[in-house]
Formats: sequence, structure tokens, C-alpha cells
Amino acid sequence: DTAVSQTPKYLVTQMGNDKSIKCEQNLGHDTMYWYKQDSKKFLKIMFSYNNKELIINETVPNRFSPKSPDKAHLNLHINSLELGDSAVYFCASSPTGLRSGNTIYFGEGSWLTVV
Amino acid sequence: AQSVTQPDIHITVSEGASLELRCNYSYGATPYLFWYVQSPGQGLQLLLKYFSGDTLVQGIKGFEAEFKRSQSSFNLRKPSVHWSDAAEYFCAVGHVNTGNQFYFGTGTSLTVIP
Repeated sequence: DTAVSQTPKYLVTQMGNDKSIKCEQNLGHDTMYWYKQDSKKFLKIMFSYNNKELIINETVPNRFSPKSPDKAHLNLHINSLELGDSAVYFCASSPTGLRSGNTIYFGEGSWLTVV
Repeated sequence: AQSVTQPDIHITVSEGASLELRCNYSYGATPYLFWYVQSPGQGLQLLLKYFSGDTLVQGIKGFEAEFKRSQSSFNLRKPSVHWSDAAEYFCAVGHVNTGNQFYFGTGTSLTVIP
């Protein structure tokens, strides 16, 4: 069983479109994240949710909107896609953040290409 | 501010040779330290982590890392590299004071030659 699963794995879309990436974790964690990995492999946190509540919202265009219907799911919706949004988006989860020294577990990534 | 530096962008080693990947962090207190590996087209897999206690930690796939407070370093080592170790390696730091924030280094790309 995949612990953190995200769909789709690959997505090619045109500029201006709206797309969503879904993420689910079956680890029982209550904190979930979205990270963006750019073409230079740099990983940067975008959002973090704890028990469906947004707790980290880095400097991300408001075209990106996370939604957490329950603590096992954290979806990422992107409006009006731009070329610069092309990247790999990683979903991740952890139990109660890092307060007890826990670890973040990552999904396999969603490769988004905007043309 | 917290930061993680991986000085080596790319490293090439021969199969069977030893490996050391460098990681330096900047943080006021002892952070939690992690090494992740990313194979081509794959997600990130945790290799090992340090929270407290013994400063030499063992991980999966024969990797180990040593926390050196005086040098603010957490270098990753492997005594004998296998061709399957070719991947991107990321050092990361977190701390209870950063809440759920996790900072990654820029990664080191490892090439293994026969």
C-alpha cells in the first residue's frame, strides 16, 4: 500500500487552464504538506495543513489554492496556469509536525508541464 | 533564519569507492537533521535522521551520517558505493521551533561510474 499517494503523476496542460492534483495519505498523520521542486531540483514548501487547518502558507501566488476535506487528504488546485508553474509537486505528511521529532513522508510527485 | 547548505552540486565516484556528501546547517539550536534520496523520476525516500543521542546514525542502504555540532555539519557517508546509488541527495533540517517547517538543501547529484 502506498503511504502517500498523489494523482496524477504526469500532467501536461496549456497555459491558462485550471488543474488539480490530489493527495491522500493512509498513515494516520494529521499534518500534510505541498512542496514544489523546480527545474534545478530545489525543494520549497508551499503549504502545510494540520487537522484540516492551514498553518503554513509560504509566498505562493493566490492562483494556488489548497483544500483539505479531511486530515487524510490535501488537494492542490491551480488556476490560470503559467509556464513558470511547470515543476514537480510533492505531497507529504507527518504526525503532529516536528514537535515530537517525527519525519515527513513524501509522495512520488506529480510532474506538471505547462505548454 | 534557518538554512541548509550542500556545497557540492555534483559528485562523481567510481563504483566501490567511498562516498561523503556534505551538509551544513545554520540554526541557533540543535535541529532535527535528515537525509533524503531521490532516484530519477521518483519521490523522496528517507535515508536516515538525527534527533538526539548518538551522533553517528545508521540509515538504510548502508548509509550513515555523523552530526558534528562544532562544525554545524551532518555529512552523509557510505563506505562502498553501488551503481544503484546514483541519485539526487537532499539534506534537510527541521526543529520544534519551526513548527512544521522543513528546510531542504539544494541537493547533490551523485553519478557512479563503473
